[in-house]
Amino acid sequence: DTGVSQNPRHKITKRGQNVTFRCDPISEHNRLYWYRQTLGQGPEFLTYFQNEAQLEKSRLLSDRFSAERPKGSFSTLEIQRTEQGDSAMYLCASSLGDIGHSYEQYFGPGTRLTVT
Amino acid sequence: AQSVTQLDSQVPVFEEAPVELRCNYSSSVSVYLFWYVQYPNQGLQLLLKYLSGSTLVKGINGFEAEFNKSQTSFHLRKPSVHISDTAEYFCAVRAYFGNEKLTFGTGTRLTIIP
Repeated sequence: DTGVSQNPRHKITKRGQNVTFRCDPISEHNRLYWYRQTLGQGPEFLTYFQNEAQLEKSRLLSDRFSAERPKGSFSTLEIQRTEQGDSAMYLCASSLGDIGHSYEQYFGPGTRLTVT
Repeated sequence: AQSVTQLDSQVPVFEEAPVELRCNYSSSVSVYLFWYVQYPNQGLQLLLKYLSGSTLVKGINGFEAEFNKSQTSFHLRKPSVHISDTAEYFCAVRAYFGNEKLTFGTGTRLTIIP
């Protein structure tokens, strides 16, 4: 169990550019979640997957945001035409779902995005 | 929908003193409750969780929390803190059924004073 990994750890981009983040969940976990955390706030839910199916998207996820999880393994989160308001820490988490009644989500270290 | 309130944004505590971090939640459905800790430049780590049963739950690093359904609270406590407990602490809830998303509070920054 190597934990949830995220790449890159830091990304600085100019306003208007597109960025893509990657998340590799714990290998046997079928659920994968994306959250966004801004300074001084708790993480806010963006979207989650069960295997390759995207089950729910938050209203925070505007049309400029898209997430995929091909083949139910790693996931990518893309932001198109970035805005300064997109600057945040993007957190990925994975879980076994409700199997075994653990309900625990395991978080990665996050990708910090700075839009200049 | 669920919401979580952590009224204390910062809590300074002397080393070896006890601490309580407060968490209140609001939900129209039954929820599971969690406390996560975030050390500087690291991801979130689960401290403890309440799913059902005994209302007093124990977690890692000597922390415990008590679920109070009538007061919709889930306060986190530790009898004696250490420098290494300096971190941001987040309370979170998720509904029993349906969307598995976690709803977090705004966090409490615990600072230990030597």
